[in-house]
Amino acid sequence: AQSVAQPEDQVNVAEGNPLTVKCTYSVSGNPYLFWYVQYPNRGLQFLLKYITGDNLVKGSYGFEAEFNKSQTSFHLKKPSALVSDSALYFCAVRDSSSNTGKLIFGQGTTLQVKP
Amino acid sequence: NAGVTQTPKFQVLKTGQSMTLQCAQDMNHEYMSWYRQDPGMGLRLIHYSVGAGITDQGEVPNGYNVSRSTTEDFPLRLLSAAPSQTSVYFCASSSHDRIYGYTFGSGTRLTVV
Repeated sequence: AQSVAQPEDQVNVAEGNPLTVKCTYSVSGNPYLFWYVQYPNRGLQFLLKYITGDNLVKGSYGFEAEFNKSQTSFHLKKPSALVSDSALYFCAVRDSSSNTGKLIFGQGTTLQVKP
Repeated sequence: NAGVTQTPKFQVLKTGQSMTLQCAQDMNHEYMSWYRQDPGMGLRLIHYSVGAGITDQGEVPNGYNVSRSTTEDFPLRLLSAAPSQTSVYFCASSSHDRIYGYTFGSGTRLTVV
């Protein structure tokens, strides 16, 4: 069965510092991995994805994520945080060997960037 | 270029009432799904569809019903609302290859009293 774990409910970072939001996953086949961001009272916005190829993927708003197959992780990173990055972040996984297309989400991590 | 449209945005129901949450997409996406979002639990998959006439259950299907008579529409029916169904509901769609990410609607905030 597919599952995603985001071990931190909240991450606090000072503006200008690097940030990391952690995600680990479990699937039976090869994973398709995604990060989404949700601002208050809004829907989810796509940030980036890993399908295949380079383990470091770059996405919107300066975010990037590193796929680590041996550690089954897909941590979200940004070199320099902005106050406007404060939001709820979700990691999601889909099993590439499944034709159902089910996308399973983690419980979310609130990122708080302080000035 | 509407994307995924959900209606209504807000709804208050009394316990035992039924209602339908509407979801429509104009991107000709084959894949559509419904999620509920609860604090600390992330998004949980309720039902999904891989095309018109095909639906299946997700993680938390009890108390909900779906149908997919057209590619564009994927309504979610609450058969007899319960307070445990108080949540924010999101509809999402994706193209057939499903690797270009999912497009989400803006959500329906449902309160059952």
